[in-house]
Amino acid sequence: DVKVTQSSRYLVKRTGEKVFLECVQDMDHENMFWYRQDPGLGLRLIYFSYDVKMKEKGDIPEGYSVSREKKERFSLILESASTNQTSMYLCASSQTLAGGADTQYFGPGTRLTVL
Amino acid sequence: GENVEQHPSTLSVQEGDSAVIKCTYSDSASNYFPWYKQELGKGPQLIIDIRSNVGEKKDQRIAVTLNKTAKHFSLHITETQPEDSAVYFCAATKLSFGAGTTVTVRA
Repeated sequence: DVKVTQSSRYLVKRTGEKVFLECVQDMDHENMFWYRQDPGLGLRLIYFSYDVKMKEKGDIPEGYSVSREKKERFSLILESASTNQTSMYLCASSQTLAGGADTQYFGPGTRLTVL
Repeated sequence: GENVEQHPSTLSVQEGDSAVIKCTYSDSASNYFPWYKQELGKGPQLIIDIRSNVGEKKDQRIAVTLNKTAKHFSLHITETQPEDSAVYFCAATKLSFGAGTTVTVRA
């Protein structure tokens, strides 16, 4: 059974804290993605990575950075958390990128609250 | 970049009836259109997808149609059941998603 796991289901942080969200996939996929999900806005792409140490900005990268030191692990970093970053964060992985017709697998999500 | 619009935002249907969700996209170069179902407390899961060289695809009670000229595609669920209640997302490629449709099937 293929799996994408995220380090926390729920997280509460204070404004200004540095926050790390971790994602691990066990399918040896080349590509990994971070999205945030907000009501009425759907899923918006923050960053994606197509190879180890490689990254590309998505639609809303401001306030976020990412790290991919190993193929199976993709981290999302909030350098200084703000209340407008309160959201559900979803990690995903796939073998091919944007137009490839293979399945994109999602993790269960991390609900982050910034107070 | 790609812009995906999805309608309606909420849909309530009687069990056994059909549900239709429609999406439009902006980039004519997009060639892969997946649909995802997200149940409460879970991540989205792929339920069906279609490539741009195909006009229609069916999998049991679920079908997707694509009109490349008009740049729109639709999800059709027939004989709806309570377990079809969920949030459904369309996407163009893997990177651009619609806002989601909350489907409620009334028993």
